[in-house]
Parts: sequence; structure tokens; C-alpha cells
Amino acid sequence: NAGVTQTPKFQVLKTGQSMTLQCAQDMNHNSMYWYRQDPGMGLRLIYYSASEGTTDKGEVPNGYNVSRLNKREFSLRLESAAPSQTSVYFCASSENIAAVYGYTFGSGTRLTVV
Amino acid sequence: AQSVTQLDSQVPVFEEAPVELRCNYSSSVSVYLFWYVQYPNQGLQLLLKYLSGSTLVKGINGFEAEFNKSQTSFHLRKPSVHISDTAEYFCAVRGTQGGSEKLVFGKGTKLTVNP
Repeated sequence: NAGVTQTPKFQVLKTGQSMTLQCAQDMNHNSMYWYRQDPGMGLRLIYYSASEGTTDKGEVPNGYNVSRLNKREFSLRLESAAPSQTSVYFCASSENIAAVYGYTFGSGTRLTVV
Repeated sequence: AQSVTQLDSQVPVFEEAPVELRCNYSSSVSVYLFWYVQYPNQGLQLLLKYLSGSTLVKGINGFEAEFNKSQTSFHLRKPSVHISDTAEYFCAVRGTQGGSEKLVFGKGTKLTVNP
């Protein structure tokens, strides 16, 4: 019963490098989300996908792109990493955008940009 | 849009003492309310939720929360905490009036339980 799986768990990038954070869920959920967590800032929504084939910007989308590859997978790409993108990234999913039962979260990716 | 205020960023308590973590949200329109817990170096785990009905909601690990519509609050309580309750706790709200609303999270309260 894996739930939401994120890879990698840790990553160190140099400024200007690119990388893709992977997220997959096995709960047949329609909606998926990417958040970043910074000390004292709580969780801030980067992008979300209400259903397969759709993506929308959240609160802090600048510097990121996303791809909803299929119903299971939702990836987050940093094209040119900056130190300000040092953060812990969480992927989440819900049965649909109404999210009556809340979100299920992955265990996070800790990214450091030097 | 909804907003959530968690009134205490840090709450230190002694083991076996009661604790209350406070959460207020911005709007009195119909809402869904959630509390999540995050243990060190882990993701967020749902503790409990309020959708409708009884204003007292019981969750996992002995936690409960009370929905107060007039005060727009959803405070989390536990009568006797354990060392293992040390974690960060997040309150979240979602309005029910719009079909595409997302959960809005508070900034978190770090609960430290001391022996």
C-alpha cells in the first residue's frame, strides 16, 4: 500500500542545473499537487492538476514547470535551479479536486541548490 | 479566498500535560477543516477532519478538535501528551462554495513534548 511515492528523497544541485522531481500515486486519484515547504512559511502550492490532461498554477509557480504524464504520475521540473529553490518539496493527491477526504502526501524531496 | 492562522508557532509542554493548538480561519461560509501532523523528516499525515455534523471530531493518536463556527476556529486538543507527539501540526481549510478550491494550510505549530 504505497500511496504517494516521491523520488529522489535528497538532491543537491548547482545553480543553473536542471532536474525533475518524480511523483506517482497508486490510489486511482484524479487530482495531484506539488507543494514546497520552507521554515516559517508552511506549505505553498506550486502547481496542481485537477485531472489527467490539466495543470494549473498555484501560489508560487515561477521557476517551475509540471507534467501530468498520466493519471498516476505528476512531475515537477526545475529548468535552471536557483538557491531560492532550496526547499522540501511535497507531492500530494486527492480523489478529486473537491478533496472531501483531504490530501495524501508523499514523504518529500529535500533539495539543496548551491 | 480562505486563509488560516495558527496562533502559536511553537508550543512546549511537559509529558502527560494537556495541550491545545489553536487554529482560526478567515471566513464563516461553509468549510471543510483538517489537521495534519508531520513527524521529523516525514510527509504530512491526516489527523482528523471536519466536514459536517458533530462539532467535536475525534482523530488518531487521541487527538480531538472542536469546530466553532461563530468564532471561526478549529482548535486541536489532547488531554495527555506523550514524547512521541513531538511533531509539527498543520491546520488546513477548504471552502465548499467553489468547485475548484484547494486546501489552504496554516504555517504550522511545532509541538515539543519534554520529559
